[in-house]
Amino acid sequence: ELKVEQNPLFLSMQEGKNYTIYCNYSTTSDRLYWYRQDPGKSLESLFVLLSNGAVKQEGRLMASLDTKARLSTLHITAAVHDLSATYFCAVDIRRDDKIIFGKGTRLHILP
Amino acid sequence: GAGVSQSPRYKVAKRGQDVALRCDPISGHVSLFWYQQALGQGPEFLTYFQNEAQLDKSGLPSDRFFAERPEGSVSTLKIQRTQQEDSAVYLCASSLDISSEQYFGPGTRLTVT
Repeated sequence: ELKVEQNPLFLSMQEGKNYTIYCNYSTTSDRLYWYRQDPGKSLESLFVLLSNGAVKQEGRLMASLDTKARLSTLHITAAVHDLSATYFCAVDIRRDDKIIFGKGTRLHILP
Repeated sequence: GAGVSQSPRYKVAKRGQDVALRCDPISGHVSLFWYQQALGQGPEFLTYFQNEAQLDKSGLPSDRFFAERPEGSVSTLKIQRTQQEDSAVYLCASSLDISSEQYFGPGTRLTVT
């Protein structure tokens, strides 16, 4: 059974600081997703990572994937308050038809 | 273009009532997924359709949950005899096909009192 674990589950940080959210998964995966969710809102797709060594960047967020280690990271550079949200990683297996989500990381950036 | 829409956005039901939640996928999207998101948790898979065929319903928590997509577009998730533990946000997602990225709707927040 595929399991997805994120850590930390809660992160409070100062503006301007850098930090990394980790996502570990238990079996071979075809692709990994990072989503953002604001309170009371739906999921916004941030990144789709398809292959080992994939790195994608958008603004202050950068995601990477190491399929051998079954690990993805979401790195935040020089955090700003607008990045406060819950971030989910999710993994799917092509032979299956569902996406398995981690529990999410609640990110609170203090001004 | 229009994204995935869901209705109602909020639903309050008394325990024991039946509810029906609607999902309108992106036009032309073959695959449709339902997820349940409890407070403070990640979404959990409920069921999946490819066109009108329900190919996986392994995530439905009990036989009180039923989903259909009779014409391969709009889908309805029905919950019979609602219980308090059914309180959650129900998210619908659609994708062009099974191998494509899923796009999520705004969700329906169900509160059972």
